[in-house]
This record gives sequence, C-alpha cells and structure tokens, in this order.
Amino acid sequence: QKEVEQDPGPLSVPEGAIVSLNCTYSNSAFQYFMWYRQYSRKGPELLMYTYSSGNKEDGRFTAQVDKSSKYISLFIRDSQPSDSATYLCAMSAKDDKIIFGKGTRLHILP
Amino acid sequence: GAGVSQTPSNKVTEKGKYVELRCDPISGHTALYWYRQSLGQGPEFLIYFQGTGAADDSGLPNDRFFAVRPEGSVSTLKIQRTERGDSAVYLCASSLYPDTEAFFGQGTRLTVV
Repeated sequence: QKEVEQDPGPLSVPEGAIVSLNCTYSNSAFQYFMWYRQYSRKGPELLMYTYSSGNKEDGRFTAQVDKSSKYISLFIRDSQPSDSATYLCAMSAKDDKIIFGKGTRLHILP
Repeated sequence: GAGVSQTPSNKVTEKGKYVELRCDPISGHTALYWYRQSLGQGPEFLIYFQGTGAADDSGLPNDRFFAVRPEGSVSTLKIQRTERGDSAVYLCASSLYPDTEAFFGQGTRLTVV
C-alpha cells in the first residue's frame, strides 16, 4: 500500500460545477497537508496548506482534512476552464520529507 | 524576492555522461527538496536538506546520484554515468523552515539519449 493514494482521473466536469478531489493516506504521523496545481510542463503551484483537521477556505478553494479517517479533500467552487490542470495532494510528518500523491487530472468543460 | 530558480530548464545528454542540475531557492529559505517526476506521475522524493546538511537522502535511487548544498543556499544535484531511465523532470522546492509551505521551481527536463 502506498503512503498516499490519489485517483489519477481524468475527471471531467462542466464549467460552473463544484469539483471534489480527494486523497487517502496510511501514515498517522502526517500532520501537514497541501494541495498543489500543476499545469502541463510547469512546476507545481501551492494552492492550500493546512496542519489541522477541519476546513480552510481561500477564495473558490476549500481544503478539508479528516485525520480520524486519514482523508483529505479539495473543493473548487464555480469551476472555470482555467482550473483544468493536474491537482496533487501532498503531506508530511513533522521535520520530514513531503510525500505526494500521483495527481488527478481535471478537465473543466466550457 | 524571486521564486525558486532551476537551471538549465532543459538538458539533453548522452548515456554515460555526467550532469549537474542547479537549484536557487527563495532567499532565506532553510529547507530545500529535490524531486523527480515522470510523465503521469506525482513528484518522487529524492533528498531533503536542512541548511547545509542532508536531513534525508533516502530517495536517491543509487550511488550515481548525489546532491550538495555547501553554503545552505544553492543546491546542485549531480548524476554520474547517466542512463536512459534517468530521463525525467527534476524539481526543486524550498521552504522557510521545515513544516512550512514549500514552493517549487519550474523544473529541469533531463533527456538521456
């Protein structure tokens, strides 16, 4: 079992819909949780960073962490064609390396 | 200041040659990470520096791979006797301290022919 599991997709949704992306993990030591967006042939761009269970909102993006279930989610409201990209979840334990999921390819259909 | 800078952006080398990939982190960032990413995969951890020392090099695939960060700022990833399987995008990230937000560069695309 990989430490971080993420469905690779692709996930296609119509413009304006709410997108839900998620990851599960097995290491209960993970404390820090991140979501990155990666466009083709570009480096990952940090979208959200959180270190506690619960929700964190930033504009159209909401990150949710459920440590009891070892499950994290990213919600995108009012999705736009420009949101089409690969979304990577990432996490780390204290003072440790960051481990990434495989990424989910998202397509927003105009 | 500027973001994480990686040079070169593209590198084509012949099998068996030696290559060096450079990473300039965000100024003042103490933690620096190297990852390798193949097509359709997430970044794969290689090595993590805290200051000048390698805090974790467990991801380096074999002894052909080596990385340094002599002054706690710029880092160089060195690959000896390159193989075609080393072809990938090599990503560098930095963070102010461990356990804080990590920011990536645009990567170096290495092609071994």
